[in-house]
Amino acid sequence: SQQGEEDPQALSIQEGENATMNCSYKTSINNLQWYRQNSGRGLVHLILIRSNEREKHSGRLRVTLDTSKKSSSLLITASRAADTASYFCATAVYNNNDMRFGAGTRLTVKP
Amino acid sequence: EAGVAQSPRYKIIEKRQSVAFWCNPISGHATLYWYQQILGQGPKLLIQFQNNGVVDDSQLPKDRFSAERLKGVDSTLKIQPAKLEDSAVYLCASSLDLKTSGVNNEQFFGPGTRLTVL
Repeated sequence: SQQGEEDPQALSIQEGENATMNCSYKTSINNLQWYRQNSGRGLVHLILIRSNEREKHSGRLRVTLDTSKKSSSLLITASRAADTASYFCATAVYNNNDMRFGAGTRLTVKP
Repeated sequence: EAGVAQSPRYKIIEKRQSVAFWCNPISGHATLYWYQQILGQGPKLLIQFQNNGVVDDSQLPKDRFSAERLKGVDSTLKIQPAKLEDSAVYLCASSLDLKTSGVNNEQFFGPGTRLTVL
């Protein structure tokens, strides 16, 4: 069964704008990861945030984690057309490499 | 560094036929995963190997799906017989051993095999 639920399901913005995607999950986690999937391709790891971290940055990406609310957000700043893809959150439970993915957010960045 | 390799990239079969997918993980990665991704959904874990042993196959439909990783490196996933609802992309991923990598269990994905069952 899937663990994470992304919100919104689809998001369309103009190039240069910021994009925010949210993820909610159900059980206690070890860490939460965000992945990107371009059409017809495999998933690419973007960023991992551990359960004892609250915020993490990587380039134009900013991820937050609120374990009390069991939620995370991914912010992409100054979006580009190349950011057009589906974004998935995946949660990992303790002592297990098994990850559960959400259904994803489909982001479209218009040039 | 070579990534996760999968073949074939595309496969079209008729229902009730058999099909097999192959995966070669990143060198040195002890853990290997097979996921099924139906169109519009996120990947669903089918089976997880640690070296040549199965760690988790709770979501594998064992009446028709089987997987093996005999030498702890390459892996094959088989469907026999296929059903229409098996149409999906089958993704293989690998990662370092959890015991050696600690909490950093980033998974590296292959390009996937797109299966169409007619």
